[in-house]
Parts: sequence; structure tokens; C-alpha cells
Amino acid sequence: GDSVTQMEGPVTLSEEAFLTINCTYTATGYPSLFWYVQYPGEGLQLLLKATKADDKGSNKGFEATYRKETTSFHLEKGSVQVSDSAVYFCALNAGGTSYGKLTFGQGTILTVHP
Amino acid sequence: NAGVMQNPRHLVRRRGQEARLRCSPMKGHSHVYWYRQLPEEGLKFMVYLQKENIIDESGMPKERFSAEFPKEGPSILRIQQVVRGDSAAYFCASSRDVGTSYEQYFGPGTRLTVT
Repeated sequence: GDSVTQMEGPVTLSEEAFLTINCTYTATGYPSLFWYVQYPGEGLQLLLKATKADDKGSNKGFEATYRKETTSFHLEKGSVQVSDSAVYFCALNAGGTSYGKLTFGQGTILTVHP
Repeated sequence: NAGVMQNPRHLVRRRGQEARLRCSPMKGHSHVYWYRQLPEEGLKFMVYLQKENIIDESGMPKERFSAEFPKEGPSILRIQQVVRGDSAAYFCASSRDVGTSYEQYFGPGTRLTVT
């Protein structure tokens, strides 16, 4: 079945450090890929998405490129801020008979220190 | 434009009671999804509904759980005879249409605690 694997967390960085959170997936067909962010006590907010191979999603300084050859969608940011501290979820929508369903990774906790 | 609304935000139930969770989708959205987040885990899909129809309930436990999205009013996730293992955050999401590229917008969640 469809699945998403994220790098083990938590991740702790100093402000202005470079961030990478790895995400790989398994899916049949051509899924769309998403990164969601969850701040403490809140619901999920869509951070960025990519709907086909080689697409790059970007938002608020975050980027991720849909790599079909490596089945990956790694999240990157060049310079993190304390306000980026949150839980980050990679997700896919595989379409087909699962067209209504998002499959999530386990989440990666990011803490950024001043 | 109001986002996805869920209520209550926090719900405490004793074992054996019923829990009713409500979700009002974003204006113009007719597709509703429910997800469950157990402590320190990712979200797991439960059910996908359109108005008056359950489209995909492949993630719903076979017993005690049910969902509806009536023609009028919010979507309801109902858990009968709750047990401690039902304690979790339940998130509702909605989308304008269905398909791999359509974004799902999430509500703030209902945190259910079973004592």
C-alpha cells in the first residue's frame, strides 16, 4: 500500500542554520506530494505541494522538489527562525481508488533555538 | 472566509459514553475527511464523505465508529461506548473538489480524552 517515511526526529537547530527534513514515499501511479506544518495545539496548515515529477513547491522560504527517480520530497530551508519550531508532516495523495485520502508520515519535530 | 470549524475543541468522556465530534467545512467545500492522530504519531485517514454519502471508510474501525455528512448541517463523527484507546486528536479537513492536486484544509481538531 501507499506509505510515507520521514527522517527520525526530533531535529534541533540554531537560528539561521540550514534545514533538511527527508521524506520518501511508496505509491502506485503518480501521487501528489505535500508538506504540512502543525504548531502546538493547532491543526495542520499546508506549507507547500507538488503535483508532478520535477515540480518544486515553495512557500515562506521552504522548498521541496518532487523527485520521482528517488521517490523523495525532501523539505529544505536555507535559514531557519525560532518561529519555524513546529511539527512537519510529509503526505501524499495517490489518486485512483484512494483519491480522497492523504497518507502521512510520522512527523518530524523541529526546535529552533535563538 | 472562515476556515474549517470543529467543535468542541476539547471533549472529556468516561468509558462507555458516547462522543460526538462536529465539523463544518469551508464555504464552498463539499468534501469532508476525518483523520485521527494518536499521541506522538502521524495522522491516519478514517473516512471521506460528500453530502449524504460515505465515499471511502477504509480507515474507520469496524465497530463503535460512524460518520455522516447530512444535506444540512455539519459532518458528525460519532464514537459509541468510548474506551481509553480512543483518546486522540480528531481532525476534520475539507476540499473544494476531489483529486490528487486538490488541497485539503484542516480544522483545529477535537482532542478527546477518555477517563
